[in-house]
Amino acid sequence: DGGITQSPKYLFRKEGQNVTLSCEQNLNHDAMYWYRQDPGQGLRLIYYSQIVNDFQKGDIAEGYSVSREKKESFPLTVTSAQKNPTAFYLCASSIVREDTQYFGPGTRLTVL
Amino acid sequence: GQQVMQIPQYQHVQEGEDFTTYCNSSTTLSNIQWYKQRPGGHPVFLIQLVKSGEVKKQKRLTFQFGEAKKNSSLHITATQTTDVGTYFCAGGGYNFNKFYFGSGTKLNVKP
Repeated sequence: DGGITQSPKYLFRKEGQNVTLSCEQNLNHDAMYWYRQDPGQGLRLIYYSQIVNDFQKGDIAEGYSVSREKKESFPLTVTSAQKNPTAFYLCASSIVREDTQYFGPGTRLTVL
Repeated sequence: GQQVMQIPQYQHVQEGEDFTTYCNSSTTLSNIQWYKQRPGGHPVFLIQLVKSGEVKKQKRLTFQFGEAKKNSSLHITATQTTDVGTYFCAGGGYNFNKFYFGSGTKLNVKP
C-alpha cells in the first residue's frame, strides 16, 4: 500500500525543547515538502527537497531544520528558536517539483 | 514576490446552491492545481490545469484556467454537505523555484 506517512499524529512538547517530526514515503518521489498550517489559514512552505542530500528554504524556514539522507525520508526538526511552534505540520511529496503533491495525514504539535 | 491570492476566504451556502472560489496570480503560472481539505484532514489533490483557457469537469465541479494563465476558478454546482471543506489552489512560475498555495476558501454547506 503506497503512501506518505507522518508520525506521531499528536505531539506535545515543553517550551525550549527541540522536536523532530517524521515523514516517510514509499511512492518513489524525488521531491518532498514541509508545510505549516495555522488555524483558518493556508499552507506555508517551510522547506523542500528536490533530491537526496539537497534541500532549500521555503518562506518560513527560520527556527526549523531538515535533512534528506534517504529518498524516502524527510524529517523536520522544530528547534527552540522557533518562536511560535504550535501548529499543524504537513509533509508532502511529488514526482518532481511542480507536480501533483501527495500529503501525509499531518502532525499537530502543541508546545506547552 | 509572486503569490497566489484566493477569494473568498469563507463561503456559507444552503445545500443545492452553487459555489465558486477564485484564484489570482500577479505573474503567469506554468500550471494550477486544486486541492480539497476536509475538516481535520489533509489536502487531497483534485485536478491540475496546464493549458491556457483550459476547462475541466469532475461531476459537479468545473475548473477553469484563464487565458493569460494568471487566474483560475473552481465552481461547484448544486452543493452537497459532502462538499464541506477548504479548497486550495496552488501554482508556480516557470522558473520552478517558487510554488505557492492560495490561502484557501472554506466552504460550509447547510443541509
